[in-house]
Amino acid sequence: GEDVEQSLFLSVREGDSSVINCTYTDSSSTYLYWYKQEPGAGLQLLTYIFSNMDMKQDQRLTVLLNKKDKHLSLRIADTQTGDSAIYFCAEIARDDKIIFGKGTRLHILP
Amino acid sequence: EPEVTQTPSHQVTQMGQEVILRCVPISNHLYFYWYRQILGQKVEFLVSFYNNEISEKSEIFDDQFSVERPDGSNFTLKIRSTKLEDSAMYFCASRMIQETQYFGPGTRLLVL
Repeated sequence: GEDVEQSLFLSVREGDSSVINCTYTDSSSTYLYWYKQEPGAGLQLLTYIFSNMDMKQDQRLTVLLNKKDKHLSLRIADTQTGDSAIYFCAEIARDDKIIFGKGTRLHILP
Repeated sequence: EPEVTQTPSHQVTQMGQEVILRCVPISNHLYFYWYRQILGQKVEFLVSFYNNEISEKSEIFDDQFSVERPDGSNFTLKIRSTKLEDSAMYFCASRMIQETQYFGPGTRLLVL
């Protein structure tokens, strides 16, 4: 079945770049997503990429997609304390449901 | 900017009681969804709804669950007889044709 895998924790120094990686299984996914969840809060759609793109840049965020390896990454440049959150990688399955990874908890070191 | 809204933000209930979680999707959206996130776990799909009927449902969405769009604006999830393991954050989502799903802020349900 469909599955999305990502590492659970990442610690980064303030000002450095954060790179969160993800692998997915459904090669027919048309969209791949990154969601951000702050403590006790809902799911904020951070960015998404169409499956026919390799890269998408949006201010400090860069998404890279390697369709051959089914690998998605999110790079956050100049990481700030406000970036501390859980980041969920997700894909859209054939039956229109979103499949989420377990989330990567990003911890910012001073 | 239009948003999906959900009420209540928190609900505490006794095991065996019925709960109704409410969502107001974005006004011109046509597809509606419920997901849940048990504390510390993945967000899981429950059900999708289009044209006044269920399109897809997961194994979690058993006979204790039902969804309804009672009027032109609300989309509800009912849990008929809550169990301890129903404690979770429940997210509603909606979308237009060929657009991405937008999520609400969630309702945190605690079953005692």
